[in-house]
Amino acid sequence: GAGVSQSPSNKVTEKGKDVELRCDPISGHTALYWYRQSLGQGLEFLIYFQGNSAPDKSGLPSDRFSAERTGGSVSTLTIQRTQQEDSAVYLCASSLSRGDTEAFFGQGTRLTVV
Amino acid sequence: LAKTTQPISMDSYEGQEVNITCSHNNIATNDYITWYQQFPSQGPRFIIQGYKTKVTNEVASLFIPADRKSSTLSLPRVSLSDTAVYYCLVRESGGSYIPTFGRGTSLIVHP
Repeated sequence: GAGVSQSPSNKVTEKGKDVELRCDPISGHTALYWYRQSLGQGLEFLIYFQGNSAPDKSGLPSDRFSAERTGGSVSTLTIQRTQQEDSAVYLCASSLSRGDTEAFFGQGTRLTVV
Repeated sequence: LAKTTQPISMDSYEGQEVNITCSHNNIATNDYITWYQQFPSQGPRFIIQGYKTKVTNEVASLFIPADRKSSTLSLPRVSLSDTAVYYCLVRESGGSYIPTFGRGTSLIVHP
């Protein structure tokens, strides 16, 4: 596609429910990143996929968070048993290759846990 | 740990030149310096990248001194639409390939 696409753009969920956030990276980009941005804050790294290598999960805040990337393309970020502190904008980015310093971001998914 | 240091906020007026300086004392030899721009309710957007001296594109200029321990993003003749958060990034020393964003600089351009 022309850019990184994320869905849904907005998600409101009840505390304790599970949510899935989707990211479609730019075709051909082997690197994919998930970030979280709370109101007025910078971007917090969550997880990084590079090709078929094992993902770098060092940024995941708890075991309620997981992500997968199927076929080296689409990625899904899953948050189980959501808490109010999970409310944030979740941003996905892709880049052509590992070490490529230009990353292309999607518009993000705004998650609100009530 | 923050790898870059930049002002939290800046104010300017339409038509003025804005310079945002970023400190990166631990920059590695092979690292590039990259700047991103983020408008409200949008993801960050790459605007410029450099290694040393000066780089200019249609959006901004980037000045990097010889020691590369700092860099300055220069926005000529800003307009209201330049109101955004600007992030300075360098690759973490030790070879991490993950773009690491700090708090950025919130630039507000006034009429």
